[in-house]
Amino acid sequence: DTEVTQTPKHLVMGMTNKKSLKCEQHMGHRAMYWYKQKAKKPPELMFVYSYEKLSINESVPSRFSPECPNSSLLNLHLHALQPEDSALYLCASSQSRGTWSYGYTFGSGTRLTVV
Amino acid sequence: TQLLEQSPQFLSIQEGENLTVYCNSSSVFSSLQWYRQEPGEGPVLLVTVVTGGEVKKLKRLTFQFGDARKDSSLHITAAQPGDTGLYLCAAPRAGNMLTFGGGTRLMVKP
Repeated sequence: DTEVTQTPKHLVMGMTNKKSLKCEQHMGHRAMYWYKQKAKKPPELMFVYSYEKLSINESVPSRFSPECPNSSLLNLHLHALQPEDSALYLCASSQSRGTWSYGYTFGSGTRLTVV
Repeated sequence: TQLLEQSPQFLSIQEGENLTVYCNSSSVFSSLQWYRQEPGEGPVLLVTVVTGGEVKKLKRLTFQFGDARKDSSLHITAAQPGDTGLYLCAAPRAGNMLTFGGGTRLMVKP
């Protein structure tokens, strides 16, 4: 299994809703990442988990809350989002945080619309 | 200011034409990667270049890493509509985190 699976593919939520994005990989990768991608822009790093511990938080607002329940799963909990948070949210994994040279494997993303 | 500057930002060409995309930086990198992203999908790794001056070929795609390891180029020969997508160069920054260039959006018309 060489895939990163993200659910849901599309999500529309109101500004008072609470929702979660899910990401799963079974490649034995020990580093997992959340990226945010706005239209016509490159992906921007949000969070990094290394061996199930949060190692980098790129000054992301607290309305985004990551969670790594085990080595295969990564969640992103959303609460009280703003319309400007609408974007494609990408999950990625790599063998470990330091072995980026083998490349990151990305999921297909969750297209989030905040109304 | 982005760590990696890509040019052009957008390219629209006819099927069969050749093109080159550039990725430049003032920093020296141990290695650099190219990804392609199709609409509605995540980026997919195309190649990693490691040695200054290195040239790698992937079918009709040719990747080159600059001698000083500060820049890279991607050349596509006889472009096809299936080559349409967003091309991203990427390199590690502090903490070994992957950071992307601004991207080149390529459209190949039949």
